[in-house]
Amino acid sequence: KAGVTQTPRYLIKTRGQQVTLSCSPISGHRSVSWYQQTPGQGLQFLFEYFSETQRNKGNFPGRFSGRQFSNSRSEMNVSTLELGDSALYLCASSFRPAADTGELFFGEGSRLTVL
Amino acid sequence: SQQGEEDPQALSIQEGENATMNCSYKTSINNLQWYRQNSGRGLVHLILIRSNEREKHSGRLRVTLDTSKKSSSLLITASRAADTASYFCATDKIQGAQKLVFGQGTRLTINP
Repeated sequence: KAGVTQTPRYLIKTRGQQVTLSCSPISGHRSVSWYQQTPGQGLQFLFEYFSETQRNKGNFPGRFSGRQFSNSRSEMNVSTLELGDSALYLCASSFRPAADTGELFFGEGSRLTVL
Repeated sequence: SQQGEEDPQALSIQEGENATMNCSYKTSINNLQWYRQNSGRGLVHLILIRSNEREKHSGRLRVTLDTSKKSSSLLITASRAADTASYFCATDKIQGAQKLVFGQGTRLTINP
């Protein structure tokens, strides 16, 4: 079956703009987690959605938001972009909540560059 | 904040040698997982070890867990060039919010 699909794969924005990233989980998976990966901070947990409800949230400012639709697809939005938001944004899906399951399935990521 | 910390940050060995990476964590856990990431790609799950297990094998991978020391190790035997990647440990949390937290990773380079 198809894996986790993230779109777009690459994008370039300027400071102050906003961006929306999309994640389609593996069919049947109800949990979607988002991570930000940067060389300096590593993999930082952003949030997790399960059955359209935000289950957990990491320590990121309110500029970072997300949602999940009834078909389990998820989007994350970053408003008022800053240079430090440049990163690889990874989405991962699982059938059960992330901490209850044995394995997360990751997408290839969306690489955001903020100029 | 990071739960797991990998050691070393970078490791370079010759093909055929064994590679050992370590992960230390701070709070009690239910399980610990190891993932691999090829450059700029998504992470791939390698193996999960539960808190009541001490050792687990999967092919050329061997994972140990010492809950008294809050540490785990990943051993890759007979390394291959294709093993070149970053390796991350991930832990859940018993206390507080249940979520998977990743360490900073070990960058492994296998030289032919």
